[in-house]
Amino acid sequence: DTGVSQDPRHKITKRGQNVTFRCDPISEHNRLYWYRQTLGQGPEFLTYFQNEAQLEKSRLLSDRFSAERPKGSFSTLEIQRTEQGDSAMYLCASSLVSGDNQPQHFGDGTRLSIL
Amino acid sequence: DAKTTQPPSMDCAEGRAANLPCNHSTISGNEYVYWYRQIHSQGPQYIIHGLKNNETNEMASLIITEDRKSSTLILPHATLRDTAVYYCIVSLVYGQNFVFGPGTRLSVLP
Repeated sequence: DTGVSQDPRHKITKRGQNVTFRCDPISEHNRLYWYRQTLGQGPEFLTYFQNEAQLEKSRLLSDRFSAERPKGSFSTLEIQRTEQGDSAMYLCASSLVSGDNQPQHFGDGTRLSIL
Repeated sequence: DAKTTQPPSMDCAEGRAANLPCNHSTISGNEYVYWYRQIHSQGPQYIIHGLKNNETNEMASLIITEDRKSSTLILPHATLRDTAVYYCIVSLVYGQNFVFGPGTRLSVLP
């Protein structure tokens, strides 16, 4: 499978704990995005990387959230001191920025449940 | 806020064409129209995109009006597996971060 891979698919944790999610983009895709989706809503943008540089962060990305893409390949999203409101699906997408327009391709997400 | 407006839900009979409308009256000249769909518990799946001309691929056709203020996604022969939420998105060249609306929930009925 050469699509976007996310791990884990499901995460259940207690309020106050830290969690980390991983995203492996499509090989050679230089742009990587994180989105969050709550029940019944469309995905909401969190942040994106061009290679290893984090170029934009949404106001939704509070200081408890941090994302990295250290070598320009896989990315991690960490949430510290989780809260009930963090329960959501966290989606990763990747795309290739090149001479022609290319769409984003999404993974199947990590579903986070805060007890 | 999303720059698109879609009906919240639609039904379509299996085997018939599904025509999903989208209004994007504030679209700018360098923004593309993208369509994705999302089946329960999966990530959004790319369907098709276009700028000005109508587009067709193995999944669907995209019809964009001449003034580019609206578009229609056409699934020519809907099957039960096409039941999903369909999102219409407008975005700049190179696909900057997408702004999703609530989409259209399409139910294909047997």
